[in-house]
Amino acid sequence: DVKVTQSSRYLVKRTGEKVFLECVQDMDHENMFWYRQDPGLGLRLIYFSYDVKMKEKGDIPEGYSVSREKKERFSLILESASTNQTSMYLCASSEAPGVTQYFGPGTRLLVL
Amino acid sequence: QKEVEQDPGPLSVPEGAIVSLNCTYSNSAFQYFMWYRQYSRKGPELLMYTYSSGNKEDGRFTAQVDKSSKYISLFIRDSQPSDSATYLCAMGDSSASKIIFGSGTRLSIRP
Repeated sequence: DVKVTQSSRYLVKRTGEKVFLECVQDMDHENMFWYRQDPGLGLRLIYFSYDVKMKEKGDIPEGYSVSREKKERFSLILESASTNQTSMYLCASSEAPGVTQYFGPGTRLLVL
Repeated sequence: QKEVEQDPGPLSVPEGAIVSLNCTYSNSAFQYFMWYRQYSRKGPELLMYTYSSGNKEDGRFTAQVDKSSKYISLFIRDSQPSDSATYLCAMGDSSASKIIFGSGTRLSIRP
C-alpha cells in the first residue's frame, strides 16, 4: 500500500512565524504535490515537484516555498505565516503528474 | 467554464439506497479518472480509478466512464452510514502536469 505521511496533524502558529510542513512517501514516486483545501474553494495546488531539487509553481504559490532534497521527502515552507494561510494542507505523490495521486492525512494549520 | 464540474450537494439518502455521483468534464484528452472519498478532517482516500472508458466494479462501488459524453459516475449500492463523506472526482492524462479535481459532493446516508 502507498503510504504518504505528514509531520503534523494539527499546528498552531503565530503571524510572522516561519512554518515547515513535511511530507514523506514510501512508494519511490517521482512526483509530489502540496495542496491547500478550504471550504467552498476545493483543492488548490500550491507547488509540485517532479524530481529531486526540481519544483514547479501550482495555481497559488504566493507566500509559499518548497524544498525537495530527497526523493521521498517534500517540504512546504511558509516564510512568514499570515492568518489567510489558515487551512488544511494536503501532500500527495504519484508515479506521473497526470495520473492517480495518493494523499497524506493532512495538516490543519491555524495561524493566529 | 471549469474543466471539471461536480454538483456540491449535499446529497442525503436513506440507508440501503443506490447512490449516483457524477462529474462532467470538458478536456477530451483526459484518460485517467479517479474517485476519492474524504471523511471530515481527513485526507482524500483513493476509492477507485479507471483508465479510458468503461466500467469498473469493486464491491459495492462501480465507476463508469463515458468519454463520448465526457461524463463519469460513481455508483454506491446498498449504501451505509459509513459511506457518509465528501466524494471528489479527479481526472488527468499522462502528458499533463497535474490532475484536475472536482469540487466534491457531500453525501449523507441516513440510518
